[in-house]
Amino acid sequence: QQQVKQSPQSLIVQKGGISIINCAYENTAFDYFPWYQQFPGKGPALLIAIRPDVSEKKEGRFTISFNKSAKQFSLHIMDSQPGDSATYFCAASPGFQKLVFGTGTRLLVSP
Amino acid sequence: GAVVSQHPSRVICKSGTSVKIECRSLDFQATTMFWYRQFPKQSLMLMATSNEGSKATYEQGVEKDKFLINHASLTLSTLTVTSAHPEDSSFYICSARLPTEGTQYFGPGTRLTVL
Repeated sequence: QQQVKQSPQSLIVQKGGISIINCAYENTAFDYFPWYQQFPGKGPALLIAIRPDVSEKKEGRFTISFNKSAKQFSLHIMDSQPGDSATYFCAASPGFQKLVFGTGTRLLVSP
Repeated sequence: GAVVSQHPSRVICKSGTSVKIECRSLDFQATTMFWYRQFPKQSLMLMATSNEGSKATYEQGVEKDKFLINHASLTLSTLTVTSAHPEDSSFYICSARLPTEGTQYFGPGTRLTVL
């Protein structure tokens, strides 16, 4: 029940395309859902986060879509660029307690 | 804002020695910091939650006596890997929670190699 399932494990998108990464959770106590971006050898960087009182949040080219009834949330990267090539982690927590991370998605944006 | 630093970025040590890793919140005070371990191509594994002025809370399976955590001030938490062995080689990452938002901001990580 504490797991966050993330898919796909890896993703190849052409430059300018839309990258979509999905996550699903079971614990209904989760109410904070951040996405992190990690480059090799670096720490994760917060991209965008959402609370369940909204169904969508957009920041620049990054959008989180949230479906509370399905217990799913997804990250959309519009106009994907080669510089977006990284590993993306979804996470969830009850309030601002410890985060439960997904398994990660390795995104490669081809030029 | 919300910058977290770690020192050192890389450390190589001999088996049996102890290594200390520092985590600092540079522009905010963090009552709570977290320590993670990450193996190649895997997700982050929470090791412990560090609270300023109190004992750390360790996750199940993490040896308290091996991974000593001290959160002596609102901007500094340290992780000491005692009597390190090759199997302790990993990427260690800390995060600090911004009190006003609750968001966790991560440090750049420390690559530990035990020979």
